[in-house]
Amino acid sequence: DAKTTQPPSMDCAEGRAANLPCNHSTISGNEYVYWYRQIHSQGPQYIIHGLKNNETNEMASLIITEDRKSSTLILPHATLRDTAVYYCIVRGSNYKLTFGKGTLLTVNP
Amino acid sequence: DSGVTQTPKHLITATGQRVTLRCSPRSGDLSVYWYQQSLDQGLQFLIQYYNGEERAKGNILERFSAQQFPDLHSELNLSSLELGDSALYFCASSVGDRGNQETQYFGPGTRLLVL
Repeated sequence: DAKTTQPPSMDCAEGRAANLPCNHSTISGNEYVYWYRQIHSQGPQYIIHGLKNNETNEMASLIITEDRKSSTLILPHATLRDTAVYYCIVRGSNYKLTFGKGTLLTVNP
Repeated sequence: DSGVTQTPKHLITATGQRVTLRCSPRSGDLSVYWYQQSLDQGLQFLIQYYNGEERAKGNILERFSAQQFPDLHSELNLSSLELGDSALYFCASSVGDRGNQETQYFGPGTRLLVL
C-alpha cells in the first residue's frame, strides 16, 4: 500500500469548513483512498472513499487531484463533535487497513 | 452506531491468563477483521475471516487465535497474557471479500488491561 503523509494537527473554527490534506505521491492506479476518523478511543468511523473521481456523502467530500498524488477531505460545516483524529489510508489489494498517525483536528468554539 | 457489537467493553485480568473477546458483525456482513490499538504501535491489523474461513493474517502473535462461527460471530482468544497485550481490540466487518473495495465498519472495541 502507498504511504500517506498528513499534518499531525490542525485547528478549525466551529461552523467553518475543515480541509484536511493528504499526500500519497506513490499511489498506484488500482489503489483507493479511504478516510476514517477516531474520536477519543472509540472505534474508527468510516467517512468516505474514492478511486479517482471526487466523492460526496452526507458526512464529507473527498477531492482527489487529477494525478491522484494528493487528496483533501472536506467537512463543510465543522462542529465540536468533529474533533477527532482523521486517518487517510491508501489501500492496494490488501484486505487490511493500514493506519498511520493521522491528523488531530480540533474544532474550536 | 456502526451495527458491529463487541463484548465485553472492558476486561481486566492478570498476566498468564487467557481471555476471549467476542464480535458480532453487521447484519449481512460475511467478513470480520480484528485490529489491536496500543499506545506505542497504533492501530494494527491482526486477522481476517470470511464466511468462517481465515482469509488474511497480519501481525498476530502465536499466543493469539481467532475463529468465525457459522452464525458469523467471531471470537479472538488471547492466551498467556503479558503486560504488553494491554490495548484496545477492535473488530470490523464488511459485506464480502473484495479486498480494497470492501468498506470496513468498526465496533466500539474492547479495552483489555493486563495487570
